[in-house]
Amino acid sequence: KQEVTQIPAALSVPEGENLVLNCSFTDSAIYNLQWFRQDPGKGLTSLLLIQSSQREQTSGRLNASLDKSSGRSTLYIAASQPGDSATYLCATNTGNQFYFGTGTSLTVIP
Amino acid sequence: DAGVIQSPRHEVTEMGQEVTLRCKPISGHDYLFWYRQTMMRGLELLIYFNNNVPIDDSGMPEDRFSAKMPNASFSTLKIQPSEPRDSAVYFCASGLNTQYFGPGTRLTVL
Repeated sequence: KQEVTQIPAALSVPEGENLVLNCSFTDSAIYNLQWFRQDPGKGLTSLLLIQSSQREQTSGRLNASLDKSSGRSTLYIAASQPGDSATYLCATNTGNQFYFGTGTSLTVIP
Repeated sequence: DAGVIQSPRHEVTEMGQEVTLRCKPISGHDYLFWYRQTMMRGLELLIYFNNNVPIDDSGMPEDRFSAKMPNASFSTLKIQPSEPRDSAVYFCASGLNTQYFGPGTRLTVL
């Protein structure tokens, strides 16, 4: 069974700082990997989807990378803002089996 | 599109009662997923449907849980009888490569 781990569980940074969130997974036979954002009391919002054949995806200040062979993905957030405060989850798709990490809770301090 | 719609948003019930959670997926999406989120276990996939047919229910915790999708625009997750350990936020999501989550139903079983 796929195990998805996210470290750290919580992160607090000052506004304007660049930061990296980490996601690791045990089964490299994935179809894709997705990064989500979850605000308190809300559902998940998809941020970026990386297909297994891709190395990275970018959307605005967000950049996600994927290294299947090492079982790792990173989410890079540039010039962080207080509005980025949320929990970020990664999820792997191993053929219609979806496994989520427990998330990294990010706080951006004004 | 209004996105994935879930009802009720909050449910408080007593142990032993039947609970029915409802979901309306985004029109045109062939896949529908039911998830449960708790602090202890994170986000867990319970069951998913493709074209109204249950594909994988291996995540359903016990026989007390059942899910149906009578048509492309409606699905239910039923718990009978409910227990305090079922207290969690239940999410419905539709789509496949990119999943769109509903706002969730916060269930409290007393």
